[in-house]
Amino acid sequence: DIQMTQSPSSVSASVGDRVTITCRASLGISNWLAWFQQKPGKAPKLLIFSASSLQSGVPSRFSGSGSGTEFTLTISSLQPEDFATYFCQQANTFPLTFGGGTKVEIK
Amino acid sequence: QLQLQESGPGLVRPSETLSLTCTVSGDSISGGNHYWGWIRQSPGKGLEWIGSIFYSGSTYYNPSLKSRVTISVDTSKNQFSLKLNSVTAADTAVYYCARQVIYYWYFDLWGRGTLVTVSS
Repeated sequence: DIQMTQSPSSVSASVGDRVTITCRASLGISNWLAWFQQKPGKAPKLLIFSASSLQSGVPSRFSGSGSGTEFTLTISSLQPEDFATYFCQQANTFPLTFGGGTKVEIK
Repeated sequence: QLQLQESGPGLVRPSETLSLTCTVSGDSISGGNHYWGWIRQSPGKGLEWIGSIFYSGSTYYNPSLKSRVTISVDTSKNQFSLKLNSVTAADTAVYYCARQVIYYWYFDLWGRGTLVTVSS
């Protein structure tokens, strides 16, 4: 199985900050990577697919980059509604696997 | 409004079978553009993909669970279902159903999840 390692596991930030989250794959996955946002008790929400494509309706402050084994999710200016947990998913190889998550907390 | 909703018992006895159903509204399971999948999330293992099904009945399963899992689809009810047999406490998790984009394999729409506890 392809292991997906996210870092950091948590980050404290303030409204307006730029936040970057990293996801590393144990094998190359080209650009077959998605990013999700999860809030307590809510359905996870797709933010980014194919490593850098913004899902319809997602604010442009979210962006993704990377290819191969290293990927990043960037929130350019953190908003109050962005405090949540973020996780990545590789879609290159079955079984599909997920990162462990990064919790973005209020500083 | 497009949504997925999980339903089923919240408590299952060890060694028994966990059964969940996902009802899809606002989209047709038979549309042919999506697979339909199950994912679970437990504190100990994070998010784990269980398996996915196409409206035709074609399935993909996670090899780690394949011997215990059956996913089926009922197009007449616009539902798909999960059965996991011989459960143990390690199967305690929040179970999500989700729509999966065919050929790209990411999940573009998720249900809110349902907690299933395995305990006697």
